Order: sequence, then structure tokens, then C-alpha cells
Amino acid sequence: AQKITQTQPGMFVQEKEAVTLDCTYDTSDPSYGLFWYKQPSSGEMIFLIYQGSYDQQNATEGRYSLNFQKARKSANLVISASQLGDSAMYFCAGVGFQKLVFGTGTRLLVSP
Amino acid sequence: DAGVTQSPTHLIKTRGQQVTLRCSPKSGHDTVSWYQQALGQGPQFIFQYYEEEERQRGNFPDRFSGHQFPNYSSELNVNALLLGDSALYLCASSLGGTSSGANVLTFGAGSRLTVL
Repeated sequence: AQKITQTQPGMFVQEKEAVTLDCTYDTSDPSYGLFWYKQPSSGEMIFLIYQGSYDQQNATEGRYSLNFQKARKSANLVISASQLGDSAMYFCAGVGFQKLVFGTGTRLLVSP
Repeated sequence: DAGVTQSPTHLIKTRGQQVTLRCSPKSGHDTVSWYQQALGQGPQFIFQYYEEEERQRGNFPDRFSGHQFPNYSSELNVNALLLGDSALYLCASSLGGTSSGANVLTFGAGSRLTVL
């Protein structure tokens, strides 16, 4: 079984500041991966970043980076230099045993 | 390069009715997965189709069924609708019959179903 936990229902950040969204995972699959998706009000899930369980380096994609700590089973998303357009729901998801399991999401609001 | 397209975008049904949702995968993708996202929740995996067969299934009753066509497009059918079936239904496509590794799912904008 696999479980993804996001404990922050909502987060607020000021424009241009950095913000960290938390995600912990629990899986028995030795080969797993972790994703972060952004879901604006339009509903579409937009892929942000991926981290494989065997990757040695933390993943980075532009302003997004993933703080992957295996011992703590955490895969936190760091957004640097927040922009107003970053306001959305953010979902952490884990893939193991060929299935993608999502957390409950964090709503991020970026203020001017 | 067309992404994942879903239809209809919104629909309203009454309890006991049946509904069919449609999905065209991203160009070059051959695998389609369906997810149900209730209000305020994360998406829940319904099932995945590859080579016109259901490859995996989540914890959903048999009222939920699907189909994949030779052109890789897919349908999700829900029979005997319940109020609790009201949700956003997301279709996602990928390549190679797997969601593992860095095989990133590309999602459509979803079909929002309301059951009255």
C-alpha cells in the first residue's frame, strides 16, 4: 500500500518570497517516484517536478526544487521567488507498483 | 501538439442515470488512466487502459467501467449514478502502459459531473 500525506491545507506567501509545501510518503515499493502537480482553478493538473527513489540529487526545475529526505520519507516542494500566478492547489503524488497516489493537496495563495 | 482532451466539460445527471465521459490522449501516448476528484480531495485512481485492456483498477465498484479504442482514445462509463459520484473526472495519458518512473502523466482539464 502507498500513502501520501500533505498536512498543510493552506499556505500564504508574499510575492517574490520562497515557500515550502510539505509532503510525506509511505510505500513498500523499493522503486518509487514522487511527483508534484499544480492544479489551477481550471482543473487541469500541471506537472511540476519528479524525484525518483534512486536519484542521488534533489530534483530542480526552474523555480521549483524538491527537498527529498529519504530517512524522513519526505519530499517537500520549494517554490522560489513566488509569483501571483503560483496561486493554485498543489498535489504531491507517489508512484509505486504502477499506480499513482495523490495527497489531499495544499492551497497556496500568493499576495502582492 | 494537442494535449489531453476531455468531453463534455460539464454535465448534470440525476440519480440512477448512466453517464459516458470521453478522453483523447496526448499525441504519441498510448495509455489512458482515469481519476475521480471529489471536491476538496486529491484525485483517486479509477483504472488504467493499455492496448485496449484494463491493466489496473483502483477501489471502485463495477458500476465504473471503461473502454479503450484502437486509436487510444478512451471512455469512462458510470451506471446507476449516486449523489456521491459527483466529482471532477480527470483523464491522464502516458506512454508504454506504465505510470512508474519518470513516465509523466499528462492530464486533461476534466469533466465535472453533478448528480442531482
